[in-house]
Amino acid sequence: NAGVMQNPRHLVRRRGQEARLRCSPMKGHSHVYWYRQLPEEGLKFMVYLQKENIIDESGMPKERFSAEFPKEGPSILRIQQVVRGDSAAYFCASSPRGANQPQHFGDGTRLSIL
Amino acid sequence: SQQGEEDPQALSIQEGENATMNCSYKTSINNLQWYRQNSGRGLVHLILIRSNEREKHSGRLRVTLDTSKKSSSLLITASRAADTASYFCATDAGGGSNYKLTFGKGTLLTVNP
Repeated sequence: NAGVMQNPRHLVRRRGQEARLRCSPMKGHSHVYWYRQLPEEGLKFMVYLQKENIIDESGMPKERFSAEFPKEGPSILRIQQVVRGDSAAYFCASSPRGANQPQHFGDGTRLSIL
Repeated sequence: SQQGEEDPQALSIQEGENATMNCSYKTSINNLQWYRQNSGRGLVHLILIRSNEREKHSGRLRVTLDTSKKSSSLLITASRAADTASYFCATDAGGGSNYKLTFGKGTLLTVNP
């Protein structure tokens, strides 16, 4: 399967713990996007990365959230000191170029905070 | 209202009928995309229509774009039970941020066998 791979599919954390969500883009894609989806809502843009660079993080909360896309390995969305409001589905998408492109989505990580 | 709002919120039809979903947006765009999401899965890209295009076809899908009214429609012809899903339109932010997609809340389509 050469699609966008996200893991884990489901993640349960207690309040105050850290959550790490991983995303491997499609082969040949160097542009990665993270979105968050609350129940019965559309996806909300969080951050756009290229290899080793954060291009736009305007949709990401200023505190506790960070993202990276290292030269080697998957992109990581990291949430520190999770709170109940962080419960959501987090989707990663990738594209071969950054503009005017269809984005290819993974199946998401469902994060539940106890 | 937000960029990229779909209506209706829910649509239930019989197999074989056509389904039409609409999307309205507020600001200038470079392109508009439609995606499908099956329950518990990620989004699947259906079609991209550029701002200088008025209509586009892909198989049983037909998308129109009216930039003067800032609206788009997605028509699925001869629907099948497998078309049951949520459908979202996504608009880009225009200008230099045309990688940033804004999604509406979607239309939940149910196709009854």
